[in-house]
Amino acid sequence: AQSVTQLDSHVSVSEGTPVLLRCNYSSSYSPSLFWYVQHPNKGLQLLLKYTSAATLVKGINGFEAEFKKSETSFHLTKPSAHMSDAAEYFCVVNVPGSQGNLIFGKGTKLSVKP
Amino acid sequence: DGGITQSPKYLFRKEGQNVTLSCEQNLNHDAMYWYRQDPGQGLRLIYYSQIVNDFQKGDIAEGYSVSREKKESFPLTVTSAQKNPTAFYLCASSRGGEGLYGHEQFFGPGTRLTVL
Repeated sequence: AQSVTQLDSHVSVSEGTPVLLRCNYSSSYSPSLFWYVQHPNKGLQLLLKYTSAATLVKGINGFEAEFKKSETSFHLTKPSAHMSDAAEYFCVVNVPGSQGNLIFGKGTKLSVKP
Repeated sequence: DGGITQSPKYLFRKEGQNVTLSCEQNLNHDAMYWYRQDPGQGLRLIYYSQIVNDFQKGDIAEGYSVSREKKESFPLTVTSAQKNPTAFYLCASSRGGEGLYGHEQFFGPGTRLTVL
């Protein structure tokens, strides 16, 4: 069975410091992996996606994530947090044969202190 | 300007009433999805449709119904049989078809439903 685990429900950083949001997945197949961001009372916006090309994926707003098959991880990072990064982040997996259906992690809420 | 629209943004319902949430997309996507979001639970799939006139139940379909008469529209009805309908509802679409693997989904802005 496929699953996604976001290891922290809440992360708090200071503006200008690095961000690390952790995600582990479980899949019997080579997955596609995504990170989405959601600001309060808004829809989800795609930050980046991994689909078996380069293992280091660059996304929008300075975010990037590295696919590590040996660790079954897909952690999201950003070198320097901005106040506008405060939001909820979802790690998502999609596997072959799933009819395009996505499996969502429970989300990590990122707070950024001035 | 391509995208997904959902209406209304906020919806209030009395117990025992059916309500219909609208979702429209002009991305020419084949596949459309409905999710329910509750605090701390991520997104859960209600229904999905890979093609016009066809749809499948997701993980939490009980108390909901959908139709897919047009490619661009996928309305969701929350029926009185849904025991706890207060939630944030998100509609999404993707390219669908063969090779669904790897295609991201595009999300609408959501509808917040409150049962009074």
